Amino acid sequence: EAAVTQSPRNKVAVTGGKVTLSCNQTNNHNNMYWYRQDTGHGLRLIHYSYGAGSTEKGDIPDGYKASRPSQENFSLILELATPSQTSVYFCASGGTGGALEQYFGPGTRLTVL
Amino acid sequence: TQTVSQSDAHVTVFEGDSVELRCNYSYGGSIYLSWYIQHHGRGLQFLLKYYSGNPVVQGVNGFEAEFSKSDSSFHLRKASVHWSDSAVYFCAVSANTGYQNFYFGKGTSLTVIP
Repeated sequence: EAAVTQSPRNKVAVTGGKVTLSCNQTNNHNNMYWYRQDTGHGLRLIHYSYGAGSTEKGDIPDGYKASRPSQENFSLILELATPSQTSVYFCASGGTGGALEQYFGPGTRLTVL
Repeated sequence: TQTVSQSDAHVTVFEGDSVELRCNYSYGGSIYLSWYIQHHGRGLQFLLKYYSGNPVVQGVNGFEAEFSKSDSSFHLRKASVHWSDSAVYFCAVSANTGYQNFYFGKGTSLTVIP
């Protein structure tokens, strides 16, 4: 079965600190995505990747970087965390082609104090 | 750019009732439409999808959705809900490209009263 895991599941960070959220998929999917979910906004795309070595900006990339060192791993990096980045972050993977569904991880709850 | 609108933020029904969760989209090209479910504290899970052919598509757990090009809609329905169907439901649009970028609605929270 398709599997996407995220770590950590919960994180408390201080303003100005660096935060790295990790995602691993065992689906052998080319595409991976980072979303944040906030009340009233639904899911918003931060960064995505078409394969190892590639990262692309999504709809709300400011304040975030992404890294895709391998097919399986996709990280989201907050170099200088701010309270406005307090949210639940979801990673997803998907195959190539719009007909294929996305598989989501369980989410990471990030609180920036 | 595609947009997805889910007009009802919250829907409450009793167990055994039927339910329809509405989704409207705007996009001029060829698209895929799908629904996802999110139980509390979990990630999203795929329910069903439509691209072409029969406008009524069946999903898991008795859910179905109907595509209407004239109304730009893709409403989700279930004939008889169970308390375990309580969750947030997201409609999504994906353009017919190789990159599978999805645009999600804001979600509809369904509460089923036992």
